[in-house]
Amino acid sequence: EAGVAQSPRYKIIEKRQSVAFWCNPISGHATLYWYQQILGQGPKLLIQFQNNGVVDDSQLPKDRFSAERLKGVDSTLKIQPAKLEDSAVYLCASSWRGNANTGELFFGEGSRLTVL
Amino acid sequence: GNSVTQMEGPVTLSEEAFLTINCTYTATGYPSLFWYVQYPGEGLQLLLKATKADDKGSNKGFEATYRKETTSFHLEKGSVQVSDSAVYFCALSDVGGGATNKLIFGTGTLLAVQP
Repeated sequence: EAGVAQSPRYKIIEKRQSVAFWCNPISGHATLYWYQQILGQGPKLLIQFQNNGVVDDSQLPKDRFSAERLKGVDSTLKIQPAKLEDSAVYLCASSWRGNANTGELFFGEGSRLTVL
Repeated sequence: GNSVTQMEGPVTLSEEAFLTINCTYTATGYPSLFWYVQYPGEGLQLLLKATKADDKGSNKGFEATYRKETTSFHLEKGSVQVSDSAVYFCALSDVGGGATNKLIFGTGTLLAVQP
């Protein structure tokens, strides 16, 4: 079974530039998550989709971050304009459904962003 | 709000030593608790979980018991191997109003096992 695919693995940009990350979840997984992991911290949820609808985006900085999952399969996370503090690893995860307490999220390897 | 606190690393052990990584949590209600592991160059993966008080999760020789009285979920292994070197994350499920499966993670603990 193919895992969660993410690209690019690494990206270096200057502040105020834009960047986009792509994620393809495990086939059949209805729920997709984007997490931000800053060095030395645990992953923090940015946005959660159930199929193509947003379930939780309470911690997404909406003035610069946007995400979509138009067909309920793959997803794109965009940052525009980037700030220095956006340097982090962006993790995509998926699960069968968003039911409480099942707990098993399947993570991709992440996309590491460096903002100079 | 709900949160997870993990012991800071790095933790450096010799092979076959006993491992404990402490994890405590703050939560309303009855969350499930998890340990995720991230091996070098790989994505996070679920190591074990416990869904209610006094449950013990176990996998690959690792164990953790859900202690409601002490709000803890410490990870233990009796004899570590070099291949256990990784970053370990404690997490809890934060049940939203729509019963969504949102995980809150601790900061992670780096374990380095020396031969």
